[in-house]
Amino acid sequence: KNEVEQSPQNLTAQEGEFITINCSYSVGISALHWLQQHPGGGIVSLFMLSSGKKKHGRLIATINIQEKHSSLHITASHPRDSAVYICAVRSGGQGNLIFGKGTKLSVKP
Amino acid sequence: GAVVSQHPSWVICKSGTSVKIECRSLDFQATTMFWYRQFPKQSLMLMATSNEGSKATYEQGVEKDKFLINHASLTLSTLTVTSAHPEDSSFYICSAVKTGVVGPSGISYEQYFGPGTRLTVT
Repeated sequence: KNEVEQSPQNLTAQEGEFITINCSYSVGISALHWLQQHPGGGIVSLFMLSSGKKKHGRLIATINIQEKHSSLHITASHPRDSAVYICAVRSGGQGNLIFGKGTKLSVKP
Repeated sequence: GAVVSQHPSWVICKSGTSVKIECRSLDFQATTMFWYRQFPKQSLMLMATSNEGSKATYEQGVEKDKFLINHASLTLSTLTVTSAHPEDSSFYICSAVKTGVVGPSGISYEQYFGPGTRLTVT
């Protein structure tokens, strides 16, 4: 079993829909990252969370440390949101990240 | 937000040659940088951890003599793929850690990713 599990693996939505991507992990963590990787490959760090909730524009990330679960929400989705969204956790102090396998999101116009 | 750049963004080289990839933190100092590789449709795989002024720490299975890492300054780390072979063709991504302030849970820091370098070895 992977230490970081994401669901769903693939997600197709219509423009304007509310989207949720889930991440569950099995290790103790000091931080959780949500990353966005576009087809060209470049990675953008969306959020780094250690507790609670963060919001940036149409993106919202939440984390429940007790349940070892995080969600990434996209409101009013747009085709430009189409990308792979990756959850990654840091276990320990300066430990390296453990990556989920990613969720491929396609938003249709 | 903090910016990490990589150069080149893509490179094609012949088998047997060496290729150097640069990773720079543009507006912050990074005592630690990570190098990852990513094969198509797979997640990122950590290759090595680079600490400024000291030798890199390589993950199991990564040949340190093949993937030379130098972190000579707080804003620059380089990865040199020596004697490249077609199986080294991959997407190489660096990440730089910006040390943050001490919080209630201890030292927290932020990690920023470069845009990646696509290496094709012919």
